[in-house]
Amino acid sequence: QSALTQPASVSGSPGQSVTISCTGTSSDVGAYNYVSWYQQHPGKAPKLMIYDVSNRPSGVSNRFSGSKSGNTASLTISGLQAEDEADYYCSSYTSSSTYVFGTGTKVTVL
Amino acid sequence: QLQLQESGPGLVKPSETLSLTCTVSGGSVSSGSYYWGWIRQPPGKGLEWIGTISYSGSTYYSPSLKSRVTISVDTSKNHFSLKLTSVTAADTAVYYCARRSSAVAVAAVLWGQGTLVTVSS
Repeated sequence: QSALTQPASVSGSPGQSVTISCTGTSSDVGAYNYVSWYQQHPGKAPKLMIYDVSNRPSGVSNRFSGSKSGNTASLTISGLQAEDEADYYCSSYTSSSTYVFGTGTKVTVL
Repeated sequence: QLQLQESGPGLVKPSETLSLTCTVSGGSVSSGSYYWGWIRQPPGKGLEWIGTISYSGSTYYSPSLKSRVTISVDTSKNHFSLKLTSVTAADTAVYYCARRSSAVAVAAVLWGQGTLVTVSS
């Protein structure tokens, strides 16, 4: 299985919105509504931000939202804040009963 | 609250076996309805899912690592383990242990802090 494809970097000014795409195949992203998103700050373990395409775990800001169309999922961060600067990874369940991560996107707050 | 802590050698020689343990504190590894697994991240690179073991003992491994990986649970010691055979420099990474509930189809919800394993002679 190949890693899901994400842009290497996105950036935005405080208060703006940014969207990160995550492209897979009909065997992973397109097959199930089991796409999740993780935030990782330098030197830290990843943190689950979105699961099942668009659900937020308790405690995650509603500035984070997810969606999916076909083989591509997206994470949108609204009202960008300095603390949102981090690496973001998508992940999907696959038809082989395994999981695959995306290539990762660095979000920079200008 | 439940916490996970990885432990094991930080340096492994090429062709040898990498062995890591994840100790579960504040809870039991034999609690029903949870999956226990491993994820790694080479320095400066992205996350790679290694595999998981279910509460019923079923294992699921990354196709690219399947021939070299074993994940097991030791309920008497309240920990689970990772073994990766025939390692090369490409296996150098931070290794995270993780847990998820069977109710949520994600790679991981709860993560350990991670441990760096370097493969070098």
